[in-house]
Amino acid sequence: DSGVTQTPKHLITATGQRVTLRCSPRSGDLSVYWYQQSLDQGLQFLIQYYNGEERAKGNILERFSAQQFPDLHSELNLSSLELGDSALYFCASSKGQLPYEQYFGPGTRLTVT
Amino acid sequence: SQQGEEDPQALSIQEGENATMNCSYKTSINNLQWYRQNSGRGLVHLILIRSNEREKHSGRLRVTLDTSKKSSSLLITASRAADTASYFCATDLLGAQKLVFGQGTRLTINP
Repeated sequence: DSGVTQTPKHLITATGQRVTLRCSPRSGDLSVYWYQQSLDQGLQFLIQYYNGEERAKGNILERFSAQQFPDLHSELNLSSLELGDSALYFCASSKGQLPYEQYFGPGTRLTVT
Repeated sequence: SQQGEEDPQALSIQEGENATMNCSYKTSINNLQWYRQNSGRGLVHLILIRSNEREKHSGRLRVTLDTSKKSSSLLITASRAADTASYFCATDLLGAQKLVFGQGTRLTINP
């Protein structure tokens, strides 16, 4: 158990819908990272927040957004969902701003039908 | 294309044998990390090696880094069935605050 929690574990929704994925980092970790893992694209970095502020951005679509709240939990919002958004979404956390030794949550499996 | 590329893509060995996986990358890095992922689960951090280090050990794991060749290797000695997983290298690029993961090596340990 990494100490990072993610909800929900599974999510099935239809195209065009909007969903919110939630992540709670390990106690004491200030950075939260979001990743998307699909069979064809591998593990793709989406976005990082550090202590409530956006720190780094990766291949995140405009339809996707994220935020980190004062209690350090984070949410990833995915809207206008397409079939190709079906993937595993991971949250990871680390102590500092730099991406050393990240601790991954169990992931949310999103299926868009 | 991916910054880190693992080789081989898949590896199948007998329990007790050693497993070696390689990772190549393209640009200068701060450090390189190896992670393990059991099927459909979150990644687990194994080891971090800094750009000024050449070798690092952790239990049955040995990681080497050759910055002149832009490559790293992960050696798992005396493999066990529980080592069956995918192994990813991740590079922390100079000037970028993000990790770039390779496509991974799928390791199968046969009992």
